[in-house]
Amino acid sequence: DTEVTQTPKHLVMGMTNKKSLKCEQHMGHRAMYWYKQKAKKPPELMFVYSYEKLSINESVPSRFSPECPNSSLLNLHLHALQPEDSALYLCASSQDDRRSPLHFGNGTRLTVT
Amino acid sequence: GEDVEQSLFLSVREGDSSVINCTYTDSSSTYLYWYKQEPGAGLQLLTYIFSNMDMKQDQRLTVLLNKKDKHLSLRIADTQTGDSAIYFCAEHGSGNTGKLIFGQGTTLQVKP
Repeated sequence: DTEVTQTPKHLVMGMTNKKSLKCEQHMGHRAMYWYKQKAKKPPELMFVYSYEKLSINESVPSRFSPECPNSSLLNLHLHALQPEDSALYLCASSQDDRRSPLHFGNGTRLTVT
Repeated sequence: GEDVEQSLFLSVREGDSSVINCTYTDSSSTYLYWYKQEPGAGLQLLTYIFSNMDMKQDQRLTVLLNKKDKHLSLRIADTQTGDSAIYFCAEHGSGNTGKLIFGQGTTLQVKP
């Protein structure tokens, strides 16, 4: 069982839609991450939040907008996506952003039509 | 630059041992990780080893670390069909951040 919970599990959206992915952890972790994973590939880092502040943005297009309302929650707001953005979006958390183990959720499978 | 390399595929028979190998480049890594990903699922933190250790054993799993050669391996004893998955090796890379550098993943196929 994962201690990082992601909703929804699956999402289909059109290119003009606005949607949000949600992530929650109750392990008291102070760092949270968004990763994107294409089929048969390793995850690629998108964003890191440390103590609710954005600390890393890996040059992600502005159609992806992260938000960290509090230390337990992480959102990813999606707008005007492209079909090539279809992927598995994984949330992770760690005790801090200084080389501690990351714990991943089960992901949201996103399809952009 | 930072790089983690793994072989892409391993096939074993049920009951045999599996050994998945990984090489990494960043000698300043504090932890090295093995993640398991089953079809349609997220990444499960399987085990990890601190860089000042040579070996870690956890039930059927044995992790060996050779810092001199920057080589990490994961041995699964008595491999079961439920072990079929993709296994990712990962390290933090340079810089004091939580960012993980992943290998390409090794697909483990367990034949009955």
